[in-house]
Amino acid sequence: GAVVSQHPSWVICKSGTSVKIECRSLDFQATTMFWYRQFPKQSLMLMATSNEGSKATYEQGVEKDKFLINHASLTLSTLTVTSAHPEDSSFYICSARTHRAGPNQPQHFGDGTRLSIL
Amino acid sequence: AQTVTQSQPEMSVQEAETVTLSCTYDTSESNYYLFWYKQPPSRQMILVIRQEAYKQQNATENRFSVNFQKAAKSFSLKISDSQLGDTAMYFCAFTPFNKFYFGSGTKLNVKP
Repeated sequence: GAVVSQHPSWVICKSGTSVKIECRSLDFQATTMFWYRQFPKQSLMLMATSNEGSKATYEQGVEKDKFLINHASLTLSTLTVTSAHPEDSSFYICSARTHRAGPNQPQHFGDGTRLSIL
Repeated sequence: AQTVTQSQPEMSVQEAETVTLSCTYDTSESNYYLFWYKQPPSRQMILVIRQEAYKQQNATENRFSVNFQKAAKSFSLKISDSQLGDTAMYFCAFTPFNKFYFGSGTKLNVKP
């Protein structure tokens, strides 16, 4: 159980393009979803936290207008990188969590999306 | 402020031997949860083990066990009978609220 599907796994696109990444919890309801960015050989950097039905909470230094997050349902959150540029190239990972079974529930991660902007 | 420190950037261990990865954290909260995740070369984050701060008993999951010292704010991971498939980045994480705080990671190389 507790499977999180992230799509696409790899995307290459031209500078100026907007890219949408989907994160789905397949067998549980995710009250909270998280979006991380990971640079090579570094830890996960939290970008934003989204709770179903409310606006995402962004971490300091993360541009809200650049990284649009939507958490429209208990099983789906999307991250849209708008007008992507080469410096946005990175590995993006989503995770999902539910509090319905208690506050000690771990985060369940998607497989990540490798984004390359040419 | 909530911080997590993993002081060992990289470690090596021979197959079948035991290795311990260290993790310390800082928080003023009294109730929280601790986790170890592994990230193999495939880059998928996999939950290894979890510990609840209010439980004194150390968590174990097969070959993986933790040494949780709440007063010292220490949460180390012991891997027994290391296997080649254990080669990965290991991240310590703790959550006092809904947000997770991750350490910088320890790269573990299991040598044949």
